[in-house]
Order: sequence, then structure tokens, then C-alpha cells
Amino acid sequence: EAQVTQNPRYLITVTGKKLTVTCSQNMNHEYMSWYRQDPGLGLRQIYYSMNVEVTDKGDVPEGYKVSRKEKRNFPLILESPSPNQTSLYFCASTPGQLNTEAFFGQGTRLTVV
Amino acid sequence: GQQLNQSPQSMFIQEGEDVSMNCTSSSIFNTWLWYKQEPGEGPVLLIALYKAGELTSNGRLTAQFGITRKDSFLNISASIPSDVGIYFCAGQTYGQNFVFGPGTRLSVLP
Repeated sequence: EAQVTQNPRYLITVTGKKLTVTCSQNMNHEYMSWYRQDPGLGLRQIYYSMNVEVTDKGDVPEGYKVSRKEKRNFPLILESPSPNQTSLYFCASTPGQLNTEAFFGQGTRLTVV
Repeated sequence: GQQLNQSPQSMFIQEGEDVSMNCTSSSIFNTWLWYKQEPGEGPVLLIALYKAGELTSNGRLTAQFGITRKDSFLNISASIPSDVGIYFCAGQTYGQNFVFGPGTRLSVLP
């Protein structure tokens, strides 16, 4: 079954404690991206990757890092989380940047206290 | 940067009613998408539109790509309880990433 898998689904952490949210897709897609969803703001892109070792900033990259060492995985790293990074995070993958069939993961709800 | 507005922000309707929502932008887009997000899930693509004026249906859902390329509409006919969720529009200009609207939250009352 084609899917995008995020872990964990829920996470509560303290300010400053580094964390990683993993994302894996089994569709051999080239393009992957991370979004955060906040009430009234919709989905805002954090970072995206057009292929292995190719990553770029989205609209709200501050406080986040990503890596793309292999095609299937695209982890999101928060080196020093802050309360304003409390949000619902989604990973998505598509065959290419201009392809419309974006598959989203189930989301990771992060709370930073 | 490019921004999308969705209207209404939220709506409560009676089961069986038809629903209309729209998405507008000050920028021109070449592709419009409509997604639905159910509670606890990620967004799922409903309809994709590629040409100005295009009208596309998916079951009880119909979406249109506005002639000006600055807007899009989604209609749901004969709503049912499982239509509940947040509906997002997304627009794309060639070579750019998709931009998402803030969403329309739909509640269906039995």
C-alpha cells in the first residue's frame, strides 16, 4: 500500500531538547516536503527536497533542519525547540515538484512546553 | 509571497443541503487543487484543475477553475455526515511550490 509514514504521531517535549520527526515514503517519489498546520493559517511549507541531497527552504524554515540522505526518508529536526513550534506537522511526497498527486502522512502533533 | 483566501472559514449545514465554498488569490495560478482533511488524518486530494474555466466532478463534488485564474470553487451536493472535515484549496504557478489556503471547516448536522 502506497503510504507516507510519520513518527511519532504525538510528542510533548521541553524547550531546548533536540528532537527528530521521521518521515518515510514507499512510492519512490523524488519530491518530499514538510508542512506545519496552525489554526487559521492552513498548511505552510517548512522545507522541501527535490531529490537525494537536494533540500531547500520553504516559507517558514526558521528553527528547523532537514536531511535527505536517501530517497525514502526525510526527517525533520528541531535542534532547540521553542513553544512557538507547537503545531501539527505533515510530511508529504509527490513524484515530482509539478505533479499534483501529493500524498500526506497522518501528521505529528508536537507540543513544546 | 502568494496567499490564498478561503471563504467561508467555517460552516454548519444540515444533512442533505448543498455546500459552496471558494478560494481566491491576488495572484494567477496554473493549477488548483482541492484537499479534504478529516480529524486525525492528513489531507487527501479530492480534485485537481489544470485549465481556466475547467469544471471537474468527483462524485458529489464539483470544482471549477475560475476564468481569471485567480479563484476556484468547490461545491458539494446533498451533504452527508462523512463530509465533515476541513477543505483546503492549493494553488501552483509553474516552477513554484504549492500554496495552501487556510481551509474551510465543514460541519454537517444530522
